[in-house]
Amino acid sequence: AQSVTQLGSHVSVSEGALVLLRCNYSSSVPPYLFWYVQYPNQGLQLLLKYTSAATLVKGINGFEAEFKKSETSFHLTKPSAHMSDAAEYFCAVSERQGGKLIFGQGTELSVKP
Amino acid sequence: DAGVIQSPRHEVTEMGQEVTLRCKPISGHDYLFWYRQTMMRGLELLIYFNNNVPIDDSGMPEDRFSAKMPNASFSTLKIQPSEPRDSAVYFCASEGLAGDMNEQFFGPGTRLTVL
Repeated sequence: AQSVTQLGSHVSVSEGALVLLRCNYSSSVPPYLFWYVQYPNQGLQLLLKYTSAATLVKGINGFEAEFKKSETSFHLTKPSAHMSDAAEYFCAVSERQGGKLIFGQGTELSVKP
Repeated sequence: DAGVIQSPRHEVTEMGQEVTLRCKPISGHDYLFWYRQTMMRGLELLIYFNNNVPIDDSGMPEDRFSAKMPNASFSTLKIQPSEPRDSAVYFCASEGLAGDMNEQFFGPGTRLTVL
C-alpha cells in the first residue's frame, strides 16, 4: 500500500529565507510524486510532479523538489520565501497515470515579514 | 477551458436532508475523482471514474453516499440522509491522459455544512 508522510504540520520562515518542506513516501512500485499547493478557500493547484524522468524537478513559482529513491523522499524547496508563498502544501503519491492520489496530511507554510 | 466546475460552492443543510454536489470536468478528460477534505482526516479519495465507469469506490464512507457519472461532462455526489459529520469541503478533480498526463486538475470545492 502507498502512503505519504509530511514532516511538520506547520513551518514558519522569514521572507527571503529558504523554504524546506519534507515528504517521505512508501510505494511498492516506482511512484509518481506530486506537490500541490492550496491557498485559503481554493482548490489544489499542481506545483510540480515527478514521473520517472529527471530526479530534480522544477515547478512553478520557483519551487523545486528532488526525488531520492534511497531515502524515499521528495522534499520541496524554494531558495527565497515570498509572502505570497503562505499556503498549505500537500505531497501526494500515485502508482500510475490515471491512478488515485494518496495525499499527505499537509504542511501549512507561514512567511513572516 | 474554464477548468473543473463545481456547484454549489457552499451548501448549508439540516441533518437528514438530501444533498447533491455537482461537477463538470475539463472537456476531454478521461478520469474524474471525488475527494473530501476535513481537518481531522485531511484529503481523502471517495471514488473515481474512468470513461464514466466507477473504478474504485472503496473510499465512500457508507451507503448514504453515492456517486454517478451519466456522461463525460457531468458527475454528482449525493448524500442521503446527511449527518453533521459529513460537514467538509468536497473537491472534484479530472485528469486526461491524452493531454495533461499525470496531473489532476481540481475544482474550487463545495463547502458543505450539515446542521
